[in-house]
Amino acid sequence: GESVGLHLPTLSVQEGDNSIINCAYSNSASDYFIWYKQESGKGPQFIIDIRSNMDKRQGQRVTVLLNKTVKHLSLQIAATQPGDSAVYFCAENGAGNTPLVFGKGTRLSVIA
Amino acid sequence: DTEVTQTPKHLVMGMTNKKSLKCEQHMGHRAMYWYKQKAKKPPELMFVYSYEKLSINESVPSRFSPECPNSSLLNLHLHALQPEDSALYLCASSLSSGMDTGELFFGEGSRLTVL
Repeated sequence: GESVGLHLPTLSVQEGDNSIINCAYSNSASDYFIWYKQESGKGPQFIIDIRSNMDKRQGQRVTVLLNKTVKHLSLQIAATQPGDSAVYFCAENGAGNTPLVFGKGTRLSVIA
Repeated sequence: DTEVTQTPKHLVMGMTNKKSLKCEQHMGHRAMYWYKQKAKKPPELMFVYSYEKLSINESVPSRFSPECPNSSLLNLHLHALQPEDSALYLCASSLSSGMDTGELFFGEGSRLTVL
C-alpha cells in the first residue's frame, strides 16, 4: 500500500551543527506535507508545512524541502539545540478527503 | 486559545471496566480525530469526525466507541479492552477534514494501560 517512510530511524548531532531529517513518500497524489516534533510524553507539535506547489519553505531555524520528482521531503534544522531533541515525524495529506498519514519517525539526539 | 485538552492524562483499567477518554477544543475547528500511538511508532488514525458526524472509521474494533456530543467535544468510550490496547491515545482537531485539512492540532494524549 502507499506509505510515508523515513531513511534514518536515529540521528545524533553536535549542538550548534545543522540537522537534516529525511522522509520518502510514495503517494504521488499527496499535496500537503507537515513536519511534527514529538517530545517524550507529549503530543505531536507542528513545526512547518509545505504544499505541493512549492519546493522550499523556511521558518525560524527550520527549512522544509520538497522534491516531487523523487518523492522526497526533508527537514533542516539550523544550529541544533538540546531542546530540539525529540522524535520527528513527516506526515502527508493525500489529495481529496484523505486523512493525515504519518511516517515512521526519526529520533534526533543533540549532543551537548 | 490554540489548545486541544485531553483528560485524563493517565488511565489504568481492567479488561472488564468501562471508561471514557475526553477531548475538548475551542478553536472553532469542525474536524476532530482520534489517533492511537504505540511506543516508538507513529500515530495511527482511528476515527475522524467532520461537523459532528463520523466520517472515517479505520476498521477499529467495536470495544472502542467514539462520540461527538458537539463541535467542541470528542469522547472515546472504552469497554472490554485487551492489554494490547495499552497505548497513548491522541486527540486532534483541524479546521476541516476535506481537501484542505491544513494543520492538525494535537492534545498531549491520554496514556492508557489495560491490565
